[in-house]
Amino acid sequence: SAVISQKPSRDICQRGTSLTIQCQVDSQVTMMFWYRQQPGQSLTLIATANQGSEATYESGFVIDKFPISRPNLTFSTLTVSNMSPEDSSIYLCSVEASGRFQETQYFGPGTRLLVL
Amino acid sequence: GENVEQHPSTLSVQEGDSAVIKCTYSDSASNYFPWYKQELGKGPQLIIDIRSNVGEKKDQRIAVTLNKTAKHFSLHITETQPEDSAVYFCASRGSYIPTFGRGTSLIVHP
Repeated sequence: SAVISQKPSRDICQRGTSLTIQCQVDSQVTMMFWYRQQPGQSLTLIATANQGSEATYESGFVIDKFPISRPNLTFSTLTVSNMSPEDSSIYLCSVEASGRFQETQYFGPGTRLLVL
Repeated sequence: GENVEQHPSTLSVQEGDSAVIKCTYSDSASNYFPWYKQELGKGPQLIIDIRSNVGEKKDQRIAVTLNKTAKHFSLHITETQPEDSAVYFCASRGSYIPTFGRGTSLIVHP
């Protein structure tokens, strides 16, 4: 398995500002994912971040709004830019475990964001 | 793309009863089916998974069954306890990106 930590765990932000969320994994992983989970909803994939390449964004998400960095195999950041109340959500970092069962996916504890 | 339907959206049981959550998927190429438990204020936690070469898998009080012909899989929790109360998500994976169900809120009454 993989142990994932996220910072901050929660934040309250003003509209128009930006917030950068950090994700740290205790082992080297190839694939990292960023998800958004709105209250009472399922998990929506924002983008896939592989080390050494540009992030791949899902439909409805753009790099200008959600820039992602992936400087090494254990760390990634997601920035929520020019925030509006609609960005209030839980943001989850996820990794795919390397090894025999490569498709096993683990999640971090999430960052709870409220935009006023 | 893949479509995953999960039912029921809410499930209320008495402590000690069994709980069953069902999911259907559309992509016949899907070959990996994990289940996640998400407690309030926490991230989803993998609790059990099954691959397409297996029809059933059990881990203590939880079990997952898979019917590839019918394209559905189910989570079974026996002897439920109040600490089983959480939101449960199923997922189906064919390509490298899994598709998640909408979640089932399980409430276990003491």
